[in-house]
Amino acid sequence: EADIYQTPRYLVIGTGKKITLECSQTMGHDKMYWYQQDPGMELHLIHYSYGVNSTEKGDLSSESTVSRIRTEHFPLTLESARPSHTSQYLCASSGRDQNQPQHFGDGTRLSIL
Amino acid sequence: KNQVEQSPQSLIILEGKNCTLQCNYTVSPFSNLRWYKQDTGRGPVSLTIMTFSENTKSNGRYTATLDADTKQSSLHITASQLSDSASYICVVSDRGSTLGRLYFGRGTQLTVWP
Repeated sequence: EADIYQTPRYLVIGTGKKITLECSQTMGHDKMYWYQQDPGMELHLIHYSYGVNSTEKGDLSSESTVSRIRTEHFPLTLESARPSHTSQYLCASSGRDQNQPQHFGDGTRLSIL
Repeated sequence: KNQVEQSPQSLIILEGKNCTLQCNYTVSPFSNLRWYKQDTGRGPVSLTIMTFSENTKSNGRYTATLDADTKQSSLHITASQLSDSASYICVVSDRGSTLGRLYFGRGTQLTVWP
């Protein structure tokens, strides 16, 4: 089993609130990723990091921001949540070898009212 | 345009039966192809990874095949179990970037009935 954890698992919150989704991994992986997934649709990369102090935007434009101050921690923040942010957010990590799998957390299902 | 297409979109089989899921891709330059299993409400879990030189790889009752010439892959599940009910996602990685960009299919939703 992969050691990557996301909290909270579920979050229902009102419009305009600031939200932080937590993601931590204990595998010492340099690379970490955030994906957004809607029901029946493919995963879309919204942020990634090569290591500490490295953050990049992914393919899907997102109003969220990320930080990577520690290797094991990669939180995602929404400054002002809107109903359009309702989705599932999946965090993943991987080692340096591109032929090794990404390990995923179980996701945060976010609902903005 | 790099794409990954999976078929069928959904599949229902009876427990104990075999099934095969398909994946066609146009990703180039190709690095590797992965199959993931995603249970409802959970994150994807890796089943197999195949590079260009590999044409088959097994993980228990799961056997993946790869034809890099035709850009097709299949995932065969033998003697299905109720716990196999999940979405199976085909993911192709390119080698055109340092990140190893991943292209995700939409998945095949498999339901195994008793």
